[in-house]
Amino acid sequence: KQEVTQIPAALSVPEGENLVLNCSFTDSAIYNLQWFRQDPGKGLTSLLLIQSSQREQTSGRLNASLDKSSGRSTLYIAASQPGDSATYLCAVSFTGNQFYFGTGTSLTVIP
Amino acid sequence: KAGVTQTPRYLIKTRGQQVTLSCSPISGHRSVSWYQQTPGQGLQFLFEYFSETQRNKGNFPGRFSGRQFSNSRSEMNVSTLELGDSALYLCASSNVHLGAEETQYFGPGTRLLVL
Repeated sequence: KQEVTQIPAALSVPEGENLVLNCSFTDSAIYNLQWFRQDPGKGLTSLLLIQSSQREQTSGRLNASLDKSSGRSTLYIAASQPGDSATYLCAVSFTGNQFYFGTGTSLTVIP
Repeated sequence: KAGVTQTPRYLIKTRGQQVTLSCSPISGHRSVSWYQQTPGQGLQFLFEYFSETQRNKGNFPGRFSGRQFSNSRSEMNVSTLELGDSALYLCASSNVHLGAEETQYFGPGTRLLVL
């Protein structure tokens, strides 16, 4: 069974701080990896998609890296804002769009 | 471009009944995936359809089934509902470009409560 672990489970930071969310997976033969955010009671919003041949992706204040050999990915959020408060989910696929999700990191950015 | 839409948004059923949920993907997307989200198990993959064919299937009992139509719209059906089927059911669509899967876009979900 594929295991995807996210640490920490919850994080509270003051506005403006840079932060790193971690994701680890047990099988390095991934097809691709995505980071999502989920706001309470809502669906998921894709933040970044990293194909297996890539090492990182950037979008605005977000940067995600992928190290397949160690089974890890990190999501870096620069200059955090209260609007970044949400649950962040990491998901890996090994074939097509069959994704295995982590349990998420609940982020609170304090104004 | 319109996003992924799911209907209905909320549903209450009783044990033993069956239910059908609908998902309309983003125009042009041929892949539709379904997920179940519960507080205890998190997000779990149900199945994926691509061009009307089931391409991947998760580890759920046969009571859970789905299909995809020629316009890429998808339905999932759960028969003989159990209390444990209460969950948020999410649908996601994506495109395939040059053989590579692209970003998945999720709908708002259907919240099913089984009494």
